[in-house]
Amino acid sequence: GAVVSQHPSRVICKSGTSVKIECRSLDFQATTMFWYRQFPKQSLMLMATSNEGSKATYEQGVEKDKFLINHASLTLSTLTVTSAHPEDSSFYICSAKGPMNTEAFFGQGTRLTVV
Amino acid sequence: AQTVTQSQPEMSVQEAETVTLSCTYDTSENNYYLFWYKQPPSRQMILVIRQEAYKQQNATENRFSVNFQKAAKSFSLKISDSQLGDTAMYFCAFSASTGAQKLVFGQGTRLTINP
Repeated sequence: GAVVSQHPSRVICKSGTSVKIECRSLDFQATTMFWYRQFPKQSLMLMATSNEGSKATYEQGVEKDKFLINHASLTLSTLTVTSAHPEDSSFYICSAKGPMNTEAFFGQGTRLTVV
Repeated sequence: AQTVTQSQPEMSVQEAETVTLSCTYDTSENNYYLFWYKQPPSRQMILVIRQEAYKQQNATENRFSVNFQKAAKSFSLKISDSQLGDTAMYFCAFSASTGAQKLVFGQGTRLTINP
């Protein structure tokens, strides 16, 4: 299957700072990328869908100004958690899909801890 | 809106036994995809099996097979000859075949294979 690389795998940041998470498709062009959040022992919750070159579509209840998503190229999407607070601590997962794919491919996830 | 329901939060079987995980979904779409994903302790999402709704034949991948009942909106996963490495969280997921094709996940079933 196709490879999606997500970095960093773990990050600790201070409350009030911003942190950027990268999601790269290594061997295919990702026209659509998805960002999920997963709390411990829970399912994946879709945060937003991004299409290359256009604004992301956020799910209801997800703050656009808090979670900035940029999908500037066909191989890279970034999620920036702005002014992070301890309640933003979570596991964030990206997935990517090409125009000919019927399935999306997942990155390894990022464990964010805000102290 | 689509919903996916997994009614078994946890299951436990002995190694080499067969286990079936349940999943039901609700949608008004006629064309869609259904997936089972495995999430081991590493938290990497791994695609186990996929079913296209227009196909009547149940998908099979080695020891993994599904029982797809479209009229009943049921999509169960059967794992035969279970192995210790099958221990993981299993998520059932739905995706429309058109539009953004975002995944909607069930709550997950924690499967433990005992030696």
